Amino acid sequence: EAGVTQSPTHLIKTRGQQATLRCSPISGHTSVYWYQQALGLGLQFLLWYDEGEERNRGNFPPRFSGRQFPNYSSELNVNALELEDSALYLCASSSRFSRVGGYTFGSGTRLTVV
Amino acid sequence: KNQVEQSPQSLIILEGKNCTLQCNYTVSPFSNLRWYKQDTGRGPVSLTIMTFSENTKSNGRYTATLDADTKQSSLHITASQLSDSASYICVVTPVNQAGTALIFGKGTTLSVSS
Repeated sequence: EAGVTQSPTHLIKTRGQQATLRCSPISGHTSVYWYQQALGLGLQFLLWYDEGEERNRGNFPPRFSGRQFPNYSSELNVNALELEDSALYLCASSSRFSRVGGYTFGSGTRLTVV
Repeated sequence: KNQVEQSPQSLIILEGKNCTLQCNYTVSPFSNLRWYKQDTGRGPVSLTIMTFSENTKSNGRYTATLDADTKQSSLHITASQLSDSASYICVVTPVNQAGTALIFGKGTTLSVSS
């Protein structure tokens, strides 16, 4: 079974540009979660998508947005990039009805803003 | 406020030695507690998952324990290997909450030296 896949692995952008990160969940998983992990810090919840809808978002500015496609893959968009947006962005997926387990992370996209 | 505190923040041990990582939480009630291993620059990988009614769960050389009365969990690593060098993250899911409500600890960074 393929795991959660994220692309690209690395992304370098300049301040003010836009970045698009992509995530493909495990087959059968309908929920996708996005997290930001800045260097030396814990995971910070960004967004949750389920069945194509945004279900919840964390304490991040509107510059962070995304969407989920009919095949449950998702993309995260970060507009007007700032230097402090440099971080590892992690995607996780789960089954909507999962109570224990089934919460699997991808390998992440390392975004560097220069 | 729901919190997960991990200690120590970092740890250095010699290859072959055992070690124990601690996780104290204030999340109550909770549905499950997970331990993840995160290699540098990679996504977290699940090691163990315990429901509130379980006391211990093993995965090879990793053994997690849970004391719901004292709200403490520990991860014991036996006969450490160089490949165990990573960050170990404790995650608690409040009861009746979806994945967005996962409470992440900041992790313990383990370095195993030869």
